[in-house]
Amino acid sequence: GQQVMQIPQYQHVQEGEDFTTYCNSSTTLSNIQWYKQRPGGHPVFLIQLVKSGEVKKQKRLTFQFGEAKKNSSLHITATQTTDVGTYFCAGAGTASKLTFGTGTRLQVTL
Amino acid sequence: GAVVSQHPSWVICKSGTSVKIECRSLDFQATTMFWYRQFPKQSLMLMATSNEGSKATYEQGVEKDKFLINHASLTLSTLTVTSAHPEDSSFYICSARRGDYGYTFGSGTRLTVV
Repeated sequence: GQQVMQIPQYQHVQEGEDFTTYCNSSTTLSNIQWYKQRPGGHPVFLIQLVKSGEVKKQKRLTFQFGEAKKNSSLHITATQTTDVGTYFCAGAGTASKLTFGTGTRLQVTL
Repeated sequence: GAVVSQHPSWVICKSGTSVKIECRSLDFQATTMFWYRQFPKQSLMLMATSNEGSKATYEQGVEKDKFLINHASLTLSTLTVTSAHPEDSSFYICSARRGDYGYTFGSGTRLTVV
């Protein structure tokens, strides 16, 4: 079945440093979505990318969808402590089912 | 908009008993809802797709007789964990999609079976 891997598993940065998480799917995706889950919370939708090579920005967050629609990345510029959480990519395949990536846990310290 | 309410937030039950979790779409109709399970520090694993008015579609390895799903209306799906065992302890989350956009998740139910 479809597998979606993310690296790194965990990253600890100091506030102000940049952060990137990478997402790779074993199959071509119709679209990719990104979610953030705070400790003890539920996933919150961040963005959806549909087009090959698409790049979208949300303030300090930049999302990219690969040309082959099998990989994606999320880059955070100048992290803040409020960015703490686990970031999941999720690939949409058949029947609107989402396959979640393994997640990257971000820790930000002052 | 696109609010999904999940209840209860947490529940403790004894082994052998059943627990029902409700998932409601508050401001939209959801013909399809999804149920996930998440173990600590792990990703979300799709358990089943709940279809309004028809049988749920279960993922491979998920016991349909143990995890009963009912989607009786366009705004409500329920997951019943039957004859719960300690290994069923987990975080269960539902989600629904509104239109051609991202999925909205419920706040999750933390189940502890003792």
